[in-house]
Amino acid sequence: QQQVKQSPQSLIVQKGGISIINCAYENTAFDYFPWYQQFPGKGPALLIAIRPDVSEKKEGRFTISFNKSAKQFSLHIMDSQPGDSATYFCAARNTGGFKTIFGAGTRLFVKA
Amino acid sequence: DTAVSQTPKYLVTQMGNDKSIKCEQNLGHDTMYWYKQDSKKFLKIMFSYNNKELIINETVPNRFSPKSPDKAHLNLHINSLELGDSAVYFCASSQDSGTSGEEETQYFGPGTRLLVL
Repeated sequence: QQQVKQSPQSLIVQKGGISIINCAYENTAFDYFPWYQQFPGKGPALLIAIRPDVSEKKEGRFTISFNKSAKQFSLHIMDSQPGDSATYFCAARNTGGFKTIFGAGTRLFVKA
Repeated sequence: DTAVSQTPKYLVTQMGNDKSIKCEQNLGHDTMYWYKQDSKKFLKIMFSYNNKELIINETVPNRFSPKSPDKAHLNLHINSLELGDSAVYFCASSQDSGTSGEEETQYFGPGTRLLVL
């Protein structure tokens, strides 16, 4: 019940295309859903986050869509660029807890 | 200004040795974490400290012992290193107070790449 399932494991997109990464969870106590971006040799860094009281959040080319009833959320990267090539992690955090559960990660490669 | 720093960046050692990794954050955060990232990039939490108190201990072998001398530091000591300990270890911090709010963002260090031979 504590798991966050992420797909796909890897993704290749043409420059200018849309990258879509999906995540699903079971625990309805999760109240915060961040996405982290990790470049090779670096630590993960927060990209964008959403709470379950909104269905969508957009920051520049990055959009989170959130479906509370389906317990699913996804990251859309519009106009994908080679510089977006990285590993993306979805995550979820419990109300009243300090633990953030990470998905398995998606390696995105954007072809120039 | 490095927010979360770790030393060393690389650590190559023999099986059976004991080693430590140090972590420091200058963000004034109350909560610090250790994560292990394996070769498949899976990020797994190991420990979390809040105000120097251990609050998460995730079925980690007791060869791993975290120590938090103060809120800004969380060190990881590993005894009797095994081949399976080879991974990247990330320290992170957040202002997480354990309640729902705006401060759950975790700030990760650059990682320590541990190779056990």
